[in-house]
Amino acid sequence: SQQGEEDPQALSIQEGENATMNCSYKTSINNLQWYRQNSGRGLVHLILIRSNEREKHSGRLRVTLDTSKKSSSLLITASRAADTASYFCATDPSTGGFKTIFGAGTRLFVKA
Amino acid sequence: GAVVSQHPSRVICKSGTSVKIECRSLDFQATTMFWYRQFPKQSLMLMATSNEGSKATYEQGVEKDKFLINHASLTLSTLTVTSAHPEDSSFYICSAKGVGGRTEAFFGQGTRLTVV
Repeated sequence: SQQGEEDPQALSIQEGENATMNCSYKTSINNLQWYRQNSGRGLVHLILIRSNEREKHSGRLRVTLDTSKKSSSLLITASRAADTASYFCATDPSTGGFKTIFGAGTRLFVKA
Repeated sequence: GAVVSQHPSRVICKSGTSVKIECRSLDFQATTMFWYRQFPKQSLMLMATSNEGSKATYEQGVEKDKFLINHASLTLSTLTVTSAHPEDSSFYICSAKGVGGRTEAFFGQGTRLTVV
């Protein structure tokens, strides 16, 4: 499969709680990105973390990267109903061309 | 960030006809563009990599004669779904990378294709 794995596949939480999504990938990478997609819509780029970085923050988002375990996590703090969406990690492999490969995604539902 | 425009956003066509989807980088030169397909509640599957001035590279299992890709300039790539069937109905998304390819990918807003 060209996809990495993400878990959980689906996550339902209450507004105000934190949401953590994990992503694992298969090959060495140049960078890893997280995207959000609302139902039936295009992608919104959230954050990019390079292979030599371990953690990155953007507002309520915190992303970690562990290249030794080939894994990343996305933490959304103090979630809001508007955070309800699908979240995908995507990797740029360091070999095999410049393509971006997507994980399976996590569907997050935040209850008001 | 850079802007990638994809057109049309929605299209309905009859079985057997062909549909062309355009992907334009508006404010940067895109040496490499990518086409993805997404079925409902699934992830994006890479279909092909399009390089300006050369033939596209298709992923395994993607029919190159059915999904024609042309990357004639540094700002435009097109995907033509030929002889469309209802099972081709899907969400198609393009992305573009700048010179060198080792940069963030910028995505179009996608095209919802429905074949009736």
